[in-house]
Amino acid sequence: QSVLTQPPSVSETPGQRVTISCSGGSFNIGSNTVSWYQQFPGTAPKLLIYSNSQRPSGVPDRFSGSKSDSSASLAISGLQSEDEADYYCAAWNDSLWVFGGGTKLTVL
Amino acid sequence: QVQLQESGPGLVKPSETLSLTCSVSGGSISGFYWSWIRQPPEKGLEWIGYIYHSGNTNYNPSLKSRVTISVNTSKNQFSLKLKSVTAADTAVYYCARHRSSWFPPYYWGQGTLVTVSS
Repeated sequence: QSVLTQPPSVSETPGQRVTISCSGGSFNIGSNTVSWYQQFPGTAPKLLIYSNSQRPSGVPDRFSGSKSDSSASLAISGLQSEDEADYYCAAWNDSLWVFGGGTKLTVL
Repeated sequence: QVQLQESGPGLVKPSETLSLTCSVSGGSISGFYWSWIRQPPEKGLEWIGYIYHSGNTNYNPSLKSRVTISVNTSKNQFSLKLKSVTAADTAVYYCARHRSSWFPPYYWGQGTLVTVSS
C-alpha cells in the first residue's frame, strides 16, 4: 500500500490530453512539493517534474504539473505513442521519500 | 555527465545480507545526497535511505532495523547492506543522486536485480 495514491491505469488517444492524479496527506503533498517520474520497462525512472511544476532541462513542455492542497496532477498534452509508460509521483514525507503506486499510461 | 553504476551479487540466500555498491563517475560524491531505491518486480518504487557525503544517513523507518548505507569518498562510491533478507526483498535496486535531501533524485543508475532465493 503506497503512501501516495494514483490510479493504476489511464488511457487516451494520440493528440489528446491526459491527466494523472496523485493524492496524499498533510505530511507529504500537503506540506512539501511533488515530483513526477516517467519509467519505461526495464529502465530507471526519469525525473519529469519537480517542485510541483518545474521541468528539468530537456523535458518537453507537453508535460506539466500542478498541486492543490494534498493532491497533485500530471498533465500530458498532445499525447504521443512514445509517452506510453509508467508514471510515479513522489514527495518528501516528514524525513523520508514516498512514492505513488504508479500509473500505467496506454496510448490507444 | 554524471553516471551511477550498481554492482553486487544478483542472488542472495534467505536470512543472509544483501550488499551492493554504487560507483559514481563524471562528478564528485562530495556535496550531494545519495539514495538507494528499490522496485519489486511489477511493483512500485520504495525509498530505502540516503547518505550525505559526510556520512550522515537517513533511513526508511520500515527498513531501518536492517539497513546500513555507507560512503567511501576516496573511491567515489557508496554502499548498501540489507541484512536478514527474505523473498520480499527481491527487487531491482537503484542508486540515485539528489542535490539536497528534499530535492528528488535526478541521476539514477540503471538498476540491478537482486533475487532472494535458496
